[in-house]
Amino acid sequence: EADIYQTPRYLVIGTGKKITLECSQTMGHDKMYWYQQDPGMELHLIHYSYGVNSTEKGDLSSESTVSRIRTEHFPLTLESARPSHTSQYLCASSDLGGTSGRAADTQYFGPGTRLTVL
Amino acid sequence: QKEVEQNSGPLSVPEGAIASLNCTYSDRGSQSFFWYRQYSGKSPELIMSIYSNGDKEDGRFTAQLNKASQYVSLLIRDSQPSDSATYLCAVISRSASKIIFGSGTRLSIRP
Repeated sequence: EADIYQTPRYLVIGTGKKITLECSQTMGHDKMYWYQQDPGMELHLIHYSYGVNSTEKGDLSSESTVSRIRTEHFPLTLESARPSHTSQYLCASSDLGGTSGRAADTQYFGPGTRLTVL
Repeated sequence: QKEVEQNSGPLSVPEGAIASLNCTYSDRGSQSFFWYRQYSGKSPELIMSIYSNGDKEDGRFTAQLNKASQYVSLLIRDSQPSDSATYLCAVISRSASKIIFGSGTRLSIRP
């Protein structure tokens, strides 16, 4: 079944550690996104990619980096985690429409990673 | 002015009644509109998409689009406690060539 996966689902880590949040999708989508969302607050786009070797920064400044070496994989890395990075990180993907019948850029979200930095 | 605006709520509706959620957008050239539901601590899930003026029904949900007035709404009939969630309006802005999310409306269905 086509889906979008995120690991880990929960992560508690100490300040200064390097972490990578994984996101994979089996939906065949070209576009992938990372959002940051604090509890009860709005979504903030931090990174997106339109395909392999394409990465762009989003609307919210972030100290994280991303890579897109394979179509289905879009990991997010924090080189040195800080308490201010504590948040929920949501990965999403979208297609270009076509046979799915849905409009291009209909986004589907993964389950999220809840990150706590102590 | 935000590109996609929603009343943050909370909107409190008695069980069994109709919940009405509204959203306005600024880009007159927008073509695609979406409603997502997000339970607390969970990720958003797509409920409805609408592309043409008028109503689109799916079960208890009806999306309404009025491009002239630049608003899109979501009606939930026979509201259930399980409908209590935050509802996000999203618009594909032609000028920005990307999806823009509203900040969401918190809906609470009281028994």
